[in-house]
Amino acid sequence: GAGVSQSPRYKVAKRGQDVALRCDPISGHVSLFWYQQALGQGPEFLTYFQNEAQLDKSGLPSDRFFAERPEGSVSTLKIQRTQQEDSAVYLCASSLSGLAGGTDTQYFGPGTRLTVL
Amino acid sequence: QKEVEQDPGPLSVPEGAIVSLNCTYSNSAFQYFMWYRQYSRKGPELLMYTYSSGNKEDGRFTAQVDKSSKYISLFIRDSQPSDSATYLCATTRGGYQKVTFGTGTKLQVIP
Repeated sequence: GAGVSQSPRYKVAKRGQDVALRCDPISGHVSLFWYQQALGQGPEFLTYFQNEAQLDKSGLPSDRFFAERPEGSVSTLKIQRTQQEDSAVYLCASSLSGLAGGTDTQYFGPGTRLTVL
Repeated sequence: QKEVEQDPGPLSVPEGAIVSLNCTYSNSAFQYFMWYRQYSRKGPELLMYTYSSGNKEDGRFTAQVDKSSKYISLFIRDSQPSDSATYLCATTRGGYQKVTFGTGTKLQVIP
């Protein structure tokens, strides 16, 4: 079956532009996560949805970052007025239920590599 | 200081060697411990998870957690060139979805 898909795979933006990154989770998965992975670093948590409810957005670095999942399936991460420090790979993951920890595997997409010039 | 510390490597070993990857963490509230493998330009994939202290074995892979010393290990036996990837340790608190990752260790297995 299909895994988590993300689009676009690569995005180049000029500083100050707005970008929108899309995530299609595995069908039927309740939970959806966004992570930011800088070069040579591990993923850093950004935000978490359970169905359409955004339950944790503590990792969003600034109010320029906004995420939504209006119908509880596809999610969009929007970055307004992009800055060079926003350059990173943005990973989306989904899991079947809302349970915690390793008992509920998070399946990752391939990521969107954002480069801000 | 990061909540999860991991030696970034790179680590280069000959095929067939035993590989030891390690992490330390600082938050006593962490209860679930995971190892992810990430190939270049791919998303991480879960290799193994353990709950609390102890060992867990899956084929050539063994995960070990020592909560008293806040130390996490992954051992790979009979390493193969296909094991060449970045290995990320990760942890989370029970009842909470946020996963905290280490920086990752890049492993190269040379044929």
